[in-house]
Amino acid sequence: EVQLLESGGGLEQPGGSLRLACAAAGFTFSNYAMSWVRQAPGKGLEWVSAISGGGTTTNFADSVKGRFTISRDSSKNTLYLQMSSLRAEDTAVYFCAKFRSANWYDAFDIWGQGTMVTVSS
Amino acid sequence: DIQMTQSPSSLSASVGDRVTITCRASQGISNHLAWYQQIPGKSPKLLIYAASTLQSGVPSRFSGSGSGTDFTLTISSLRPEDFATYYCQKYNGAPLTFGGGTKVEIK
Repeated sequence: EVQLLESGGGLEQPGGSLRLACAAAGFTFSNYAMSWVRQAPGKGLEWVSAISGGGTTTNFADSVKGRFTISRDSSKNTLYLQMSSLRAEDTAVYFCAKFRSANWYDAFDIWGQGTMVTVSS
Repeated sequence: DIQMTQSPSSLSASVGDRVTITCRASQGISNHLAWYQQIPGKSPKLLIYAASTLQSGVPSRFSGSGSGTDFTLTISSLRPEDFATYYCQKYNGAPLTFGGGTKVEIK
């Protein structure tokens, strides 16, 4: 079964750091670009970042550029999001998502269940 | 950056109704548009990609149309399990912007 399982969320103070992980199963991880999408409480979906299948190309939303990094470890079938200089407005459920095809950009056909990140003092 | 504007932001409908949601891109995006359904407390689910292609396993009462800047999602006959929030998303390039969402509520 194709599935994604996020972990690493929690409560962090403003200015702090967190690393999220997304374990993938059921597909050839290295063949697909992956992405992070977040959803603030009661709000809509916001794309955060994407990384190519080989891990060499990345993109970020302006709201997180310079503070977040995305990476992947194909030996562990795991996607990561390193978040630093956290702000209250980063509070959200963070979903990892798989691109539908091997194309660099496509729709997201598989989503994880999400992990909650709360930034508060 | 290209903005995605959905309308309406919410609607009330009854089981059996035909429902149409629109999504407008501020610039042309060809057919690089997806629609998602999100039930409260759940992850989004892909319904349609390439503006009009139904994702495997999605009921045929869902359909999508459009190209360029104007797109629509239609539910031909609303079922109880369709009450949810629907999002469009453009994916022709970064940022992969979502529309603001349309909440479909029970009348």
